[in-house]
Amino acid sequence: ETGVTQTPRHLVMGMTNKKSLKCEQHLGHNAMYWYKQSAKKPLELMFVYNFKEQTENNSVPSRFSPECPNSSHLFLHLHTLQPEDSALYLCASSQEVLGSVGTQETQYFGPGTRLLVL
Amino acid sequence: GEDVEQSLFLSVREGDSSVINCTYTDSSSTYLYWYKQEPGAGLQLLTYIFSNMDMKQDQRLTVLLNKKDKHLSLRIADTQTGDSAIYFCAVTDSWGKLQFGAGTQVVVTP
Repeated sequence: ETGVTQTPRHLVMGMTNKKSLKCEQHLGHNAMYWYKQSAKKPLELMFVYNFKEQTENNSVPSRFSPECPNSSHLFLHLHTLQPEDSALYLCASSQEVLGSVGTQETQYFGPGTRLLVL
Repeated sequence: GEDVEQSLFLSVREGDSSVINCTYTDSSSTYLYWYKQEPGAGLQLLTYIFSNMDMKQDQRLTVLLNKKDKHLSLRIADTQTGDSAIYFCAVTDSWGKLQFGAGTQVVVTP
């Protein structure tokens, strides 16, 4: 049990569907992340939220829309996805130090949502 | 940006030692991590080392860091079938962002 949960664990959706992925962390952290893991490629950082504010958007297409209502919950809203968006989507959290630069607190990952877009 | 490279595959016999290697390019990396991913699961933090250390041991795991060569390794002693997984090396770049390697698939054979 890592303290980071994700639902659903598996999701199959058509290209015209709208769905949402949910992540919840029980570690008291203040930063949360969405990563995409495709086969045989390094993990791709998609979004970062620090203190509920989005601080990074790594050129992610607008069909992916994150939402962070509080420091414990993170959502990824999906709309009109493409088959190449099929992947494992991982959420992570960490405790960031306000104002620090060049340091990285340890990230703890959830189990992921396996997404298949048909 | 930071490049993190790992070999893609390692086969090891049960009871032997495994050594997984990783090289990186950003010399300002402060934290260096090893994560383990079992089939169908997320990433599990195994261990990490701070850049001012050259070795860290935790039970069957030994992490070696050669800062001069920008080389990180993970040694697993007495490898068990439960150690079969993908192992990811990850390092922080100069902005504090975590950069991952592509992962090394470790297969333990009886």
